[in-house]
Amino acid sequence: GENVEQHPSTLSVQEGDSAVIKCTYSDSASNYFPWYKQELGKGPQLIIDIRSNVGEKKDQRIAVTLNKTAKHFSLHITETQPEDSAVYFCAASIRSYGQNFVFGPGTRLSVLP
Amino acid sequence: KAGVTQTPRYLIKTRGQQVTLSCSPISGHRSVSWYQQTPGQGLQFLFEYFSETQRNKGNFPGRFSGRQFSNSRSEMNVSTLELGDSALYLCASRPPGAGDTQYFGPGTRLTVL
Repeated sequence: GENVEQHPSTLSVQEGDSAVIKCTYSDSASNYFPWYKQELGKGPQLIIDIRSNVGEKKDQRIAVTLNKTAKHFSLHITETQPEDSAVYFCAASIRSYGQNFVFGPGTRLSVLP
Repeated sequence: KAGVTQTPRYLIKTRGQQVTLSCSPISGHRSVSWYQQTPGQGLQFLFEYFSETQRNKGNFPGRFSGRQFSNSRSEMNVSTLELGDSALYLCASRPPGAGDTQYFGPGTRLTVL
């Protein structure tokens, strides 16, 4: 089955710097890759996603890139702010009947003022 | 539009008991998935329901079960609770025709003593 690895497990950056989180997946049939942000005491919140027919997607300060050949995708956050501090999860799924999401272990991002 | 709601938010049970958790999806969403989140295992998929039918199941023992009602509300039940069942249980709903995007509720924190 699918396996998703995520690095780093913790990341500290200075406010205003960029943060990059990387994920790799094992199943080449996976075709949908969302990123979630989870704050303390809350459920994961979808922040951006990308499908396998797209190489890059951007939404304001957040961007995701996908390399299907290497089977890895990355989250890029520019101009980080303290409110970006949270745990970030990547996931992979195969778009099919009864799809099943497999999540990475998470990255705890701390943005230092 | 109201988000995914889960009740109760917190629950304390003792070993051997059973528990029922409830999830109300976003209005119009017919797919409901359940996940278990623990510090050691991360986010793990339990099962997905669509139109009152379970259409995908993760690798959990039969003590974990669920159902979905005609109004798309879903419940999950855990029987004969074990200490290791202590976790945050998350429900996510997905809109029809929107591919794969899913939206999470705040979760139910279950503590088994």
